Amino acid sequence: NAGVTQTPKFRVLKTGQSMTLLCAQDMNHEYMYWYRQDPGMGLRLIHYSVGEGTTAKGEVPDGYNVSRLKKQNFLLGLESAAPSQTSVYFCASSRHNQETQYFGPGTRLLVL
Amino acid sequence: GEDVEQSLFLSVREGDSSVINCTYTDSSSTYLYWYKQEPGAGLQLLTYIFSNMDMKQDQRLTVLLNKKDKHLSLRIADTQTGDSAIYFCAESMIKAAGNKLTFGGGTRVLVKP
Repeated sequence: NAGVTQTPKFRVLKTGQSMTLLCAQDMNHEYMYWYRQDPGMGLRLIHYSVGEGTTAKGEVPDGYNVSRLKKQNFLLGLESAAPSQTSVYFCASSRHNQETQYFGPGTRLLVL
Repeated sequence: GEDVEQSLFLSVREGDSSVINCTYTDSSSTYLYWYKQEPGAGLQLLTYIFSNMDMKQDQRLTVLLNKKDKHLSLRIADTQTGDSAIYFCAESMIKAAGNKLTFGGGTRVLVKP
């Protein structure tokens, strides 16, 4: 049982490039989340999903898209990366609403 | 509105107790959490408390909740060097969909030998 995994661990992008971050969980959790962490600001919710095939916007969704085609995977896409998207991205999952969220190890993204 | 605040930094000597404080603004919070983040790692859930509780103890960790003042604290007894990390408090509220957490900015705890 690996829990929540994220790939890649680290990536450098040029402004305007696109990329997809992958989150996978093997706990059969219904809910999945993408956060970004910036210094002194804690974690902010980008998008979340309450089940396969569903997604919803969080606190800071602009510039990101997500998809949940399979229950175990939650993808975060950047169509045209900007330096303001330099951050550490964390994925999390929970079994149901109001249940504890379990976090992945993070993806560090640098946009030049 | 949703706002969670923490002090930025705490320095403590090994063997002493650490107390990390957190304030929140939304009185409809249902669960309050403490997460630990070690350098280069993700967030690890330490403990949580339901909003109708005043206190929860789990080994070296004691969580105190003052719902009237919207104040949450985490006490770590016999602090060890391995406790050096950033600690985040977070609140969650019953929403129509999704269990959205609101995080504080984190308190960096440095344990000195």
